[in-house]
Amino acid sequence: GENVEQHPSTLSVQEGDSAVIKCTYSDSASNYFPWYKQELGKRPQLIIDIRSNVGEKKDQRIAVTLNKTAKHFSLHITETQPEDSAVYFCAASKGGYQKVTFGTGTKLQVIP
Amino acid sequence: NAGVMQNPRHLVRRRGQEARLRCSPMKGHSHVYWYRQLPEEGLKFMVYLQKENIIDESGMPKERFSAEFPKEGPSILRIQQVVRGDSAAYFCASSPEGQETQYFGPGTRLLVL
Repeated sequence: GENVEQHPSTLSVQEGDSAVIKCTYSDSASNYFPWYKQELGKRPQLIIDIRSNVGEKKDQRIAVTLNKTAKHFSLHITETQPEDSAVYFCAASKGGYQKVTFGTGTKLQVIP
Repeated sequence: NAGVMQNPRHLVRRRGQEARLRCSPMKGHSHVYWYRQLPEEGLKFMVYLQKENIIDESGMPKERFSAEFPKEGPSILRIQQVVRGDSAAYFCASSPEGQETQYFGPGTRLLVL
C-alpha cells in the first residue's frame, strides 16, 4: 500500500520567515495530494491540494510543489504568522473516492 | 450548510464495554470515511462507506470493530469490548459526488479506563 513520509517532524521559524515541509510517497498511482492543518484539539482542515497533472499551485502565502518523477511534494508557507502555528499533514491518494494516506505530521511553531 | 458532525465529542468507557461513535456527513455528501488518530500521531484510515455499502475496510481491525452507513441516519463506528489501546481520537470525513476532497468532523475522543 501507499506510504507517505514527512519531514521535519518539528519546525520552528521566526515570524515573517518561510517554512518548508517535505513529503515523499511510494505509490506511483497516487495522483491527489492534499495538505491539512490541525490546531490542537481541532479537526484537520484542508488548506491546499494539488493533482498530478500540475507541478505547482499557490494560494496567497501557501504554495505546494509536486515532482512526480521523484515522488516528492512540498508545502511552502511564506511570511509566516503566529496563527500559522499548528500541525501540518501531507497526504496522498489515488484520487476519486480512494482512501487518503497521511504523513506523520509536522509541528510548526512560529515565534513572534 | 452545517459541516460534518460527530457525537459524542468525548466518550469514556471501561474495558469490555461498547463504544458507538456517530457521524453525520455534510448535506449532500454520500461518501463517509473514518480515521483514527493516536496522540502525537497522524491519521490512519479505517473504513470508507457509501450509503448501505462498505467500500473499503482495509484499515479496520478484523475483530471488535464494525461500521455502517444506513440509508437513513448517521454513519456508526462501533467498537465492542473496548481495550485501553482503543483510546484515540476518531475522525469522520465526508466528500460529495464528483469531488475527492474530504471534509473532517470535529472528532470523538474516546478514553478507555
